[in-house]
Amino acid sequence: RKEVEQDPGPFNVPEGATVAFNCTYSNSASQSFFWYRQDCRKEPKLLMSVYSSGNEDGRFTAQLNRASQYISLLIRDSKLSDSATYLCVVILWGDSSYKLIFGSGTRLLVRP
Amino acid sequence: NAGVTQTPKFQVLKTGQSMTLQCAQDMNHNSMYWYRQDPGMGLRLIYYSASEGTTDKGEVPNGYNVSRLNKREFSLRLESAAPSQTSVYFCASSEVQDYRGYTFGSGTRLTVV
Repeated sequence: RKEVEQDPGPFNVPEGATVAFNCTYSNSASQSFFWYRQDCRKEPKLLMSVYSSGNEDGRFTAQLNRASQYISLLIRDSKLSDSATYLCVVILWGDSSYKLIFGSGTRLLVRP
Repeated sequence: NAGVTQTPKFQVLKTGQSMTLQCAQDMNHNSMYWYRQDPGMGLRLIYYSASEGTTDKGEVPNGYNVSRLNKREFSLRLESAAPSQTSVYFCASSEVQDYRGYTFGSGTRLTVV
């Protein structure tokens, strides 16, 4: 079983739509969570952190459910520029560093 | 611009050839990482270096070696390239106290024929 699992998609939505992605993780010791965005043939870039209480950043809302071990990302009023792959990421801490464990990503296509 | 610089950006190797992927960061980060990304597999950790002078294996270390040359530089070596090592390789760096995760380089696209 993968440590972090995501629906690969693609999610094909019209501009202005609301779309949600979920992600599940297997290691209950995971302590921190992120969503990264990756454009085609580019490096991943941090989109937002995910906090237990849930957090918003403009049109983006992230939620964490520790009991069920899943993370969600909601995008409201989708823009064409939101088309990308969204990577769910969990952190595993060591003594002096941490490792990011990546899901394989969910692809979003926003059409005019 | 501050960030993570990877070289080369593209490389084609023949099976059995060796090469070193270079990575340098100028953010004074302690930790550095090498990932590979394959279709449908996401990013998988090859090796990481928590601090200068230390290196540890990640999820898929076989066929690779690394060197943390100094705080800035972390290189990845393929001693005898195989077609299964065709992938996109990303280097990243981070600071333990920085909860914003990693900063990635722009990647190296490697093809082994």
